[in-house]
Amino acid sequence: GDSVTQMEGPVTLSEEAFLTINCTYTATGYPSLFWYVQYPGEGLQLLLKATKADDKGSNKGFEATYRKETTSFHLEKGSVQVSDSAVYFCALVGRGSTLGRLYFGRGTQLTVWP
Amino acid sequence: KAGVTQTPRYLIKTRGQQVTLSCSPISGHRSVSWYQQTPGQGLQFLFEYFSETQRNKGNFPGRFSGRQFSNSRSEMNVSTLELGDSALYLCASSLEPGSDNEQFFGPGTRLTVL
Repeated sequence: GDSVTQMEGPVTLSEEAFLTINCTYTATGYPSLFWYVQYPGEGLQLLLKATKADDKGSNKGFEATYRKETTSFHLEKGSVQVSDSAVYFCALVGRGSTLGRLYFGRGTQLTVWP
Repeated sequence: KAGVTQTPRYLIKTRGQQVTLSCSPISGHRSVSWYQQTPGQGLQFLFEYFSETQRNKGNFPGRFSGRQFSNSRSEMNVSTLELGDSALYLCASSLEPGSDNEQFFGPGTRLTVL
C-alpha cells in the first residue's frame, strides 16, 4: 500500500544553517506529494506541494522536488530562522479507492537556535 | 474567510465513556476528513465524508464512527473510550475529494482519557 518514510529527527540547527529533511514514498503511480508544517498547539498547514514528476514546490524559502527515479521529495531551505521551528510532515495523497486520503510520514521536529 | 473550526479544543474523559467531536469546514467545502495524531502512531486516517456519505475509512475499530450533515459539518464519535484513544483529533476540509485539492486542517481537539 501507499506509505511515506521521512527522517524523524529531531533536527537542531543554528539560525542561517542549511536544512534538509529526507522523504521517500511508496505508491502506485505518481501521487501528488506535500509537505505540511505544524506549529506548537496548532493544526497542520500546507507548506508546499508538487503534483507530477520533476515539479518543484516552493514556499517561504522552502523547496522540494518530486523525483520519481528515487521516489523522493526532500525538503530543503538554504537559511533557516528561529521561526521555522516546528514539526514537518511529508505526505502523499491517495488515488483510486483512497482518493483524497493523506498518508503521512512520522514527522520531523526542527528546532532552530539563534 | 474563516478556517476550519473544531470544538471542543480540549476534552477529558474517563475510560468507558463516549465522546463526540465536532468539525465545521470552510464555507463551500463539502469534503471532511478526520485524522488521529499520537506520539506513538503519528497521523492516522480515520474516515472521510463527502455529501453526507462516508467515502473512505481507515483501520480503526467500530467504536470510532462519524457522520456529516447537510451543511457539511461533521461529527465523530468514540464509544467505550480506552486509554489509548488519548490523542489529538484533527479535522480537514477540502472543496471535494481529489488528489490535488488542498486540505485545510483545523486546530484539533485534544482528548485525554483517564
